[in-house]
Amino acid sequence: EAGVTQFPSHSVIEKGQTVTLRCDPISGHDNLYWYRRVMGKEIKFLLHFVKESKQDESGMPNNRFLAERTGGTYSTLKVQPAELEDSGVYFCASSQVAGAIYEQYFGPGTRLTVT
Amino acid sequence: AQSVTQPDIHITVSEGASLELRCNYSYGATPYLFWYVQSPGQGLQLLLKYFSGDTLVQGIKGFEAEFKRSQSSFNLRKPSVHWSDAAEYFCAVAANQAGTALIFGKGTTLSVSS
Repeated sequence: EAGVTQFPSHSVIEKGQTVTLRCDPISGHDNLYWYRRVMGKEIKFLLHFVKESKQDESGMPNNRFLAERTGGTYSTLKVQPAELEDSGVYFCASSQVAGAIYEQYFGPGTRLTVT
Repeated sequence: AQSVTQPDIHITVSEGASLELRCNYSYGATPYLFWYVQSPGQGLQLLLKYFSGDTLVQGIKGFEAEFKRSQSSFNLRKPSVHWSDAAEYFCAVAANQAGTALIFGKGTTLSVSS
């Protein structure tokens, strides 16, 4: 069974540009999460989808970030326009059952560098 | 607010020696606690979790952790470290009983010397 995959693995963009990160969860997992780790800091929650609905987006830093999960399968996280402080590693995770604490399976992350 | 503290940023242990990674949490209700490991180029892998019951939990790769409510701690241990254990380790607590967001500590990087 394939794990959580993320694309690209690394992206370098200039300030003001747009970047779209993609996450493919484990097949059949309804829950999809985005997290971010800024260098030197802890991994922080961004948002949580249950199927195609946003269950919790309390961690989204501002309206430059837009997450979508059309059809309840893969998800994209768009940053527009990117700022220097958006640099970090963006992790995606998925889990199987909504409304309970089940193991979140993490992808390898996308390293975003904004110059 | 909930928080997780991992006091040690970097630890070096000799191969074959024992290991203990510290984790302290701040959470008002019954905590749901996790340890994850991230090897270079890999995603975070769950080592073990504690929800309730026996306070000593066994995980994969020979790791165990003990939940101590009185000390608000959930330290990770391994009796004999292997070179392949070199990685970054994260302690996390679930933000609520619905089990959505995880709150992570800053991580501890483990180096293993021969």
